[in-house]
Amino acid sequence: DVKVTQSSRYLVKRTGEKVFLECVQDMDHENMFWYRQDPGLGLRLIYFSYDVKMKEKGDIPEGYSVSREKKERFSLILESASTNQTSMYLCASSTAGTGDEGEQYFGPGTRLTVT
Amino acid sequence: GDSVTQMEGPVTLSEEAFLTINCTYTATGYPSLFWYVQYPGEGLQLLLKATKADDKGSNKGFEATYRKETTSFHLEKGSVQVSDSAVYFCALSDSGGSNYKLTFGKGTLLTVNP
Repeated sequence: DVKVTQSSRYLVKRTGEKVFLECVQDMDHENMFWYRQDPGLGLRLIYFSYDVKMKEKGDIPEGYSVSREKKERFSLILESASTNQTSMYLCASSTAGTGDEGEQYFGPGTRLTVT
Repeated sequence: GDSVTQMEGPVTLSEEAFLTINCTYTATGYPSLFWYVQYPGEGLQLLLKATKADDKGSNKGFEATYRKETTSFHLEKGSVQVSDSAVYFCALSDSGGSNYKLTFGKGTLLTVNP
């Protein structure tokens, strides 16, 4: 069974803290994604990676950075957390193979609260 | 740029009612279209997909047909169950590159009452 796991389901951090969200997939997928999900706004892409050490900005990268040192792991970093980064964060992965375009596998999400 | 518009919720139905959730899109090229579902407390999972015009995707009693002429991909189910209560997202993938980014609609919350 395919699996995307995220390091925490719930996280509470203080304003100004550096926050790491970890995501691991066991499907040998090339592509990995970080989204945030907010009521009324749907899913918005923060960053994605199509290979180890490669990354591209999504629609809302400001205030975030990412790291992909190994194929199976993709980390989202909030350099200095702010209250407007309180949200649900979803990680996803997908293969680069043809025939499965767009089929992303999601983790359960991390609900981050910044106080 | 690409965009997806889906009907705003919430949608509340009684068990065994007919469901339609409308979805229209704007895209360049020839996108693939998807419906994802998010059950309470979980991440999203793929419900069905269609990769070219006139294709019909189907799964778990849900169906959607890729209509290029109306740029639509409406989700339908003939008889909903309480267990179908979830948030439904329409999405498109413009697979021109190797990264297969998705553009999502804002989601429609469905509640089915017994």
